[in-house]
Amino acid sequence: GQQVMQIPQYQHVQEGEDFTTYCNSSTTLSNIQWYKQRPGGHPVFLIQLVKSGEVKKQKRLTFQFGEAKKNSSLHITATQTTDVGTYFCAGATRGTSYGKLTFGQGTILTVHP
Amino acid sequence: DTEVTQTPKHLVMGMTNKKSLKCEQHMGHRAMYWYKQKAKKPPELMFVYSYEKLSINESVPSRFSPECPNSSLLNLHLHALQPEDSALYLCASSQDPRDREHYGYTFGSGTRLTVV
Repeated sequence: GQQVMQIPQYQHVQEGEDFTTYCNSSTTLSNIQWYKQRPGGHPVFLIQLVKSGEVKKQKRLTFQFGEAKKNSSLHITATQTTDVGTYFCAGATRGTSYGKLTFGQGTILTVHP
Repeated sequence: DTEVTQTPKHLVMGMTNKKSLKCEQHMGHRAMYWYKQKAKKPPELMFVYSYEKLSINESVPSRFSPECPNSSLLNLHLHALQPEDSALYLCASSQDPRDREHYGYTFGSGTRLTVV
C-alpha cells in the first residue's frame, strides 16, 4: 500500500534557527496536505498543495511540492517558541475513494528560547 | 461555525462498559471521519462516512461501531474494549472530497479514552 515517509522524527532548534521537515511518498500523489498538532492538541490544517512544483508561503512557513509529486517539504524561517508541535504531512492518491489520506509519521519540533 | 465539536473530552471506561463518542459539525461538510491516535504517532484512519453512508472501514474490530444519524452528527459506539484501545479518538470533517479546492480536514479536539 501507499507509504508516506517523513523525516526527521525529532528536531530540536534554538529560537531563531530555521527548520525543515521532508516527506516522501512511494507513489505519485494527487495532492499533499500539511497539519500542525500542538502538544496536547489536535491536528490543524495548514495548507494543501496540488500542482507539480508548487510553492506556497504563509508568513515564515514555505511549503513545496516536488516536480514528480512524490515529495514535499515544509520550511520554517527563524523559528519561534510558538512553532513548537508536531508537523504531519498527509498525501492522497488518484482513485482513492472519499478523501482517504495517508499521514506521515510526523516531525516533533522543539524550540529552545 | 468552523468547528468540529467532540464530546466527551475525557472518558474512562471498564472493559465491560458500553459508551458512545459524539461528534458534531455545522459547516455543511459531507465527509466525516473517525481517527485513532496513540501518543507520538500519526492519526490512524478508522472509518469514513460520505453523504451519511459508510464508505471506508479500515478493518476496525467490531467492538467499535460507527453511526451517522444525519449530515451533522457522527457517533462511535464502544463496547467491550481492551486496554490497548486507550488513545485519543479524533473526529474530522471535510467538504465533498471530489471538490479538491476544499479538501482540508477540520479535526475536533478529540476524546481521550482510557480503558481500565
